[in-house]
Amino acid sequence: SQQGEEDPQALSIQEGENATMNCSYKTSINNLQWYRQNSGRGLVHLILIRSNEREKHSGRLRVTLDTSKKSSSLLITASRAADTASYFCAIRGNKLIFGTGTLLAVQP
Amino acid sequence: GAGVSQSPRYKVAKRGQDVALRCDPISGHVSLFWYQQALGQGPEFLTYFQNEAQLDKSGLPSDRFFAERPEGSVSTLKIQRTQQEDSAVYLCASSLDSGGQTYEQYFGPGTRLTVT
Repeated sequence: SQQGEEDPQALSIQEGENATMNCSYKTSINNLQWYRQNSGRGLVHLILIRSNEREKHSGRLRVTLDTSKKSSSLLITASRAADTASYFCAIRGNKLIFGTGTLLAVQP
Repeated sequence: GAGVSQSPRYKVAKRGQDVALRCDPISGHVSLFWYQQALGQGPEFLTYFQNEAQLDKSGLPSDRFFAERPEGSVSTLKIQRTQQEDSAVYLCASSLDSGGQTYEQYFGPGTRLTVT
């Protein structure tokens, strides 16, 4: 079963806008990871945030983690058409459990 | 190569046939994972190896599914007597995980299995 849930399920924005995706989970975690998947490059790791961290940045990506609310968010700033993909959060306890994904479409 | 490789990339099997899917992890990665991804869904965990030891196989959907990693590097996922519901993309990932510390997983391109 998939214990992470992303919100929204689908998101369409214009190039240059910011995109925010949220992830909620149910169990305790060691870390939470975000992945991107498109047909061209498969499933690619974006960023990992550990349970004792609250915020992490990587380039145009910003991830926050609130363990008290069991939620995380991924912000992509200044989006590009190449950011079009499905984005998954994955929680890590003893194993990696993926959410259902957010399908992001960035219109040029 | 530098990444995780999987073969074959595509496999069509008639219902009832056995299939074997191969995964070559990144050299030096201790941990290896198998996932099943149905269309429109996120990957679902199947099984996990640390070196040659299969530490978790709780995600294998039935006893028709079997995985091995005999020398702690290459792994094979075998599906016996394939059924139509086995049609999916099978993803392999490897990671540096060890000693209780967990890291990001690096995924292969997957094997798309179609059972007719």
